Amino acid sequence: GAVVSQHPSRVICKSGTSVKIECRSLDFQATTMFWYRQFPKKSLMLMATSNEGSKATYEQGVEKDKFLINHASLTLSTLTVTSAHPEDSSFYICSARVITETNLQETQYFGPGTRLLVL
Amino acid sequence: GQNIDQPTEMTATEGAIVQINCTYQTSGFNGLFWYQQHAGEAPTFLSYNVLDGLEEKGRFSSFLSRSKGYSYLLLKELQMKDSASYLCAGMDSNYQLIWGAGTKLIIKP
Repeated sequence: GAVVSQHPSRVICKSGTSVKIECRSLDFQATTMFWYRQFPKKSLMLMATSNEGSKATYEQGVEKDKFLINHASLTLSTLTVTSAHPEDSSFYICSARVITETNLQETQYFGPGTRLLVL
Repeated sequence: GQNIDQPTEMTATEGAIVQINCTYQTSGFNGLFWYQQHAGEAPTFLSYNVLDGLEEKGRFSSFLSRSKGYSYLLLKELQMKDSASYLCAGMDSNYQLIWGAGTKLIIKP
């Protein structure tokens, strides 16, 4: 099946630094990728929708200047947490959307997540 | 390797009971998650099991057997709004989520 990878799998950084998280679709092209944030035992919170070649669409309450998203190619989207603070510590998950040509059915494939700890 | 298996699609009748199975193979184990996702929406957390047994939460229950690498999500008194995709995800020793492809549940009147 389709595979989505994320790098790094976990990262520890100092407060005030920036962290880049990569999301790659390994064996398919994805014009749309999603970035989620998960808090312990809670639902995934959609942060933004990333479209290849255009600006990301951010959900209400998500600071676009703090969470920079770049979807430079059909297989790569990046999320950069700028000037990270301890409250940004979380589990960030990306997904890639695929629409099958045969029946136009939409499927999302999720990445394994990146655990960010800001000290 | 790591793998999560769940059926692609299931059909059930309104008011009935349906069980969605999930088998997992992960490097280490830190729990099993079930999410519900309606088309076009973000996944909603349903349950988290890390110990063997059944956990009941209203109409939804989740079961885990670590020795068998097996979990199921049980939905009772099905309602039309339960039509959605149900995602099974195992967490490995590195706290990474290994996702199943999802089970599309179709509820018929």
